Amino acid sequence: EPEVTQTPSHQVTQMGQEVILRCVPISNHLYFYWYRQILGQKVEFLVSFYNNEISEKSEIFDDQFSVERPDGSNFTLKIRSTKLEDSAMYFCASNLAGGLEQYFGPGTRLTVT
Amino acid sequence: KQEVTQIPAALSVPEGENLVLNCSFTDSAIYNLQWFRQDPGKGLTSLLLIQSSQREQTSGRLNASLDKSSGRSTLYIAASQPGDSATYLCAVIGNAGNMLTFGGGTRLMVKP
Repeated sequence: EPEVTQTPSHQVTQMGQEVILRCVPISNHLYFYWYRQILGQKVEFLVSFYNNEISEKSEIFDDQFSVERPDGSNFTLKIRSTKLEDSAMYFCASNLAGGLEQYFGPGTRLTVT
Repeated sequence: KQEVTQIPAALSVPEGENLVLNCSFTDSAIYNLQWFRQDPGKGLTSLLLIQSSQREQTSGRLNASLDKSSGRSTLYIAASQPGDSATYLCAVIGNAGNMLTFGGGTRLMVKP
């Protein structure tokens, strides 16, 4: 069964460093998403992406964040200068069309020290 | 702004019991509602999706209902098993946009 994959599973970085989190959505899906979950808190929406552009973003998704679909399979989230409060589990998701069931990847645990 | 609440936050039951998890949302203008399962330190597994025009959806021992006008959904788990132990999350999509808004989850423990 097709699934969303994410790499790495765990990333440790120092404050101020840039990180890139990678995702491979399900191959025929057209909509891609990033969410995050700070330990002990709710899952929060960051950004959605369709047709090579951002379609929605939350207040969390400020200028430090960017997303890209560099080729036909990968979808990346870049954090330019990480802060301690960026430590969280980051989930990628995809679906065939907006409003339909979203399928989540296993997540990348980001630890900023 | 949509707010999603799940009660109870934690639940412990003996194996074999039928149970109900509750989800409520403040804005009834939703497009659909999705229930997920999350194992500790893991990703989210989609269990059921109910569209706003539907009243319920069933998958195996799971049954989810939706009462859009009152802003409520329930997830019914029949004949619970230790393997059902996990956190169950509900999330809604509004009529404008595709973002999921999540509740805080119910942490379920099924004891053998």
